[in-house]
Amino acid sequence: GDSVTQMEGPVTLSEEAFLTINCTYTATGYPSLFWYVQYPGEGLQLLLKATKADDKGSNKGFEATYRKETTSFHLEKGSVQVSDSAVYFCALIPPSGNTPLVFGKGTRLSVIA
Amino acid sequence: DTGVSQNPRHKITKRGQNVTFRCDPISEHNRLYWYRQTLGQGPEFLTYFQNEAQLEKSRLLSDRFSAERPKGSFSTLEIQRTEQGDSAMYLCASSLTSFRAETQYFGPGTRLLVL
Repeated sequence: GDSVTQMEGPVTLSEEAFLTINCTYTATGYPSLFWYVQYPGEGLQLLLKATKADDKGSNKGFEATYRKETTSFHLEKGSVQVSDSAVYFCALIPPSGNTPLVFGKGTRLSVIA
Repeated sequence: DTGVSQNPRHKITKRGQNVTFRCDPISEHNRLYWYRQTLGQGPEFLTYFQNEAQLEKSRLLSDRFSAERPKGSFSTLEIQRTEQGDSAMYLCASSLTSFRAETQYFGPGTRLLVL
């Protein structure tokens, strides 16, 4: 079945460091891909998404590019802030489109000043 | 606030008791999803509705679990005869079925602790 694999955390970075969180997926066809973020004590929020190969999703300085050839959707940010400390989830919706999200296990990011 | 709301936010119960959670989706959204999230894991799908019709149920949803969405508005998730393994965060999300990559908007969740 469809699945998402994320790099295990926790990830600890100093402020202004470069961030990469790896995400790969297994799915038939071309799923839609998402990154959600969960800040402490809050619900899941959509961070960015991409719906077809080579699409780049971006928001709040975060970016991720849909790579069909490597079945990946890695999350990157050039300079993290303390306020970026959260749990990040990679997720997909299968190509049929009208189905629930399939999530990875999440990666906890801690940014220290 | 026009986001997804869930009540209660926290619930502590004793094993064997029944609990019910409520989710109010974004008003124009026709799809409503329930997920369960345990510590250190990503959310796992439980069930979802399109309007009032329950379209799919996960194998995770044992016969002690039931969900309803009367009139296609709010939804309730009931757990009968709770077990300690039911302790988790229960998340509700809603979306508008239109294009392929429907964005699901999540509520804050209901954290259940079964003693």
